Amino acid sequence: DVKVTQSSRYLVKRTGEKVFLECVQDMDHENMFWYRQDPGLGLRLIYFSYDVKMKEKGDIPEGYSVSREKKERFSLILESASTNQTSMYLCASSLGEVRETQYFGPGTRLLVL
Amino acid sequence: AQKVTQAQTEISVVEKEDVTLDCVYETRDTTYYLFWYKQPPSGELVFLIRRNSFDEQNEISGRYSWNFQKSTSSFNFTITASQVVDSAVYFCALSVTDKLIFGTGTRLQVFP
Repeated sequence: DVKVTQSSRYLVKRTGEKVFLECVQDMDHENMFWYRQDPGLGLRLIYFSYDVKMKEKGDIPEGYSVSREKKERFSLILESASTNQTSMYLCASSLGEVRETQYFGPGTRLLVL
Repeated sequence: AQKVTQAQTEISVVEKEDVTLDCVYETRDTTYYLFWYKQPPSGELVFLIRRNSFDEQNEISGRYSWNFQKSTSSFNFTITASQVVDSAVYFCALSVTDKLIFGTGTRLQVFP
């Protein structure tokens, strides 16, 4: 059974704080992804990673960075949180083949005050 | 450019009604995949189906069925005899490379 977990379901932070969102998958997937979801905009890709220590920018990488030190773990970092980063953050993983199904975690609802 | 359009923002039905969620996509590539995901109130996106561009056969899984028509670039999803548990946001997505391009979702509310 596929399993993607995220460290927090809900998170409240203050403007300017450094925020870490953690994602872990136990399916030995090569690819991992971070999305944010906002009403009326659907899901937008922030960053993705094809392999350990590799990262690629998605459609909206500004204000974010990522880290992938181990295959099963992909972290999203908000260096200095801002109120416009209040959103739902979803992590996903997939096998290394092109166009494989992505499996999603439960999401983290982040509120930046 | 690739794009997915879900024109229906919200649909409300009464239990046992059939409901169809529309999805129209744009791509110039000949090889691509289409997906449907369900997002219940808990927030997690649940994978429902993956279909490649060379397979236009319709698919049925229990009360769910999908109609893929390349001629109209559509991949519509029908729920037969809807139930309250079907209430969720449904996303259609297109994959040309490793990236998924999502539509904006359709919120389905099924009332008892």
